[in-house]
Amino acid sequence: GNSVTQMEGPVTLSEEAFLTINCTYTATGYPSLFWYVQYPGEGLQLLLKATKADDKGSNKGFEATYRKETTSFHLEKGSVQVSDSAVYFCALSPRLTNAGKSTFGDGTTLTVKP
Amino acid sequence: DAGVTQSPTHLIKTRGQQVTLRCSPKSGHDTVSWYQQALGQGPQFIFQYYEEEERQRGNFPDRFSGHQFPNYSSELNVNALLLGDSALYLCASSLETGGGGTDTQYFGPGTRLTVL
Repeated sequence: GNSVTQMEGPVTLSEEAFLTINCTYTATGYPSLFWYVQYPGEGLQLLLKATKADDKGSNKGFEATYRKETTSFHLEKGSVQVSDSAVYFCALSPRLTNAGKSTFGDGTTLTVKP
Repeated sequence: DAGVTQSPTHLIKTRGQQVTLRCSPKSGHDTVSWYQQALGQGPQFIFQYYEEEERQRGNFPDRFSGHQFPNYSSELNVNALLLGDSALYLCASSLETGGGGTDTQYFGPGTRLTVL
């Protein structure tokens, strides 16, 4: 079956530091890949997505590239801010079929200190 | 444009009781999926509704059931509650794109269920 493995947290960084959160996946076919962010007490918000190999998703300074050869979708940001403190989830969904049935990683908690 | 809304925000029940959670999808969306998120874990897919029918189901027992109404809103019902059912229940809506697929899903804020 499908699975997503995320870098274990928590991750603590100073403001303006570089961020990488690793994500690898196992899936049949060609899934779509997503990063979601969850702020304290809130639901999940879509951060970025990529639907095919070598696609780069980007939003709010965050980027992730769909690497089929390494089955990875690592999240990066060049300079984090205190407001980026949240839990980040990597997820996949099968393309074309069952696209709403997503498989999530366990999340990585990021804390950014001023 | 209203996003996905869920009610209630919080709920406390005792073991053995039954609970109903509600979800209104984002305007224009016709597909609703439900997820259970235990503390410290990622969401787990429960089931998905499209055209008022359950289309896909995850590894959850029959105590978990649902319904979708003609206006695309949805309910999640859980019978015979167990302590382990305590979690954040998330609803996500999306738009069917044909062939059983859907576009990106948008999540509601969730309902926090506590079973005592």
